[in-house]
Amino acid sequence: KNQVEQSPQSLIILEGKNCTLQCNYTVSPFSNLRWYKQDTGRGPVSLTIMTFSENTKSNGRYTATLDADTKQSSLHITASQLSDSASYICVVSAQFSGANNLFFGTGTRLTVIP
Amino acid sequence: DGGITQSPKYLFRKEGQNVTLSCEQNLNHDAMYWYRQDPGQGLRLIYYSQIVNDFQKGDIAEGYSVSREKKESFPLTVTSAQKNPTAFYLCASSIYSGLYNEQFFGPGTRLTVL
Repeated sequence: KNQVEQSPQSLIILEGKNCTLQCNYTVSPFSNLRWYKQDTGRGPVSLTIMTFSENTKSNGRYTATLDADTKQSSLHITASQLSDSASYICVVSAQFSGANNLFFGTGTRLTVIP
Repeated sequence: DGGITQSPKYLFRKEGQNVTLSCEQNLNHDAMYWYRQDPGQGLRLIYYSQIVNDFQKGDIAEGYSVSREKKESFPLTVTSAQKNPTAFYLCASSIYSGLYNEQFFGPGTRLTVL
């Protein structure tokens, strides 16, 4: 069964600290993996997109890693800011056509406190 | 200002009523999608459309209907047959619905049944 699991479910950190969010998946055959940031009451916004051959991709203070062998990804946030408070969603795309080739994690709710 | 818009932001419905959620995009994207987001769950696909005048059911289409008369517009009707419609609804679009189909999301509509 194609699934995407994220951990932790929620996380609270102090402003300026780093944190790492995890995403494990069983989606097969794998095409690509995306991390989205979703502010409360808003739509998700793409942070990074990674294909099978990519191990690391950065977007400012956000760095995503992918280990296609173990089917794991992480999103590392450096020097967190209050504006990083949001839900972070991992989305894995399978290698078959159609809109139902996307599998969504339930997200990690990050709260950054001053 | 390019993007994808949804209206209204908040919508209240009495039981037994049909309501229509609007989704418009000016990104010239061929594919459009509707998702439902509930607390603690990943996004679930309701309907999607790859081209004008064509659409397919997603994983949870029962109680919903859509139309795609124009490339820019993909309205979703929540009918009285949907037993638990209270949720956050997200519309998305992508250039096409192929394997590398990065989706861009609208701001969402929160529907509450009174």
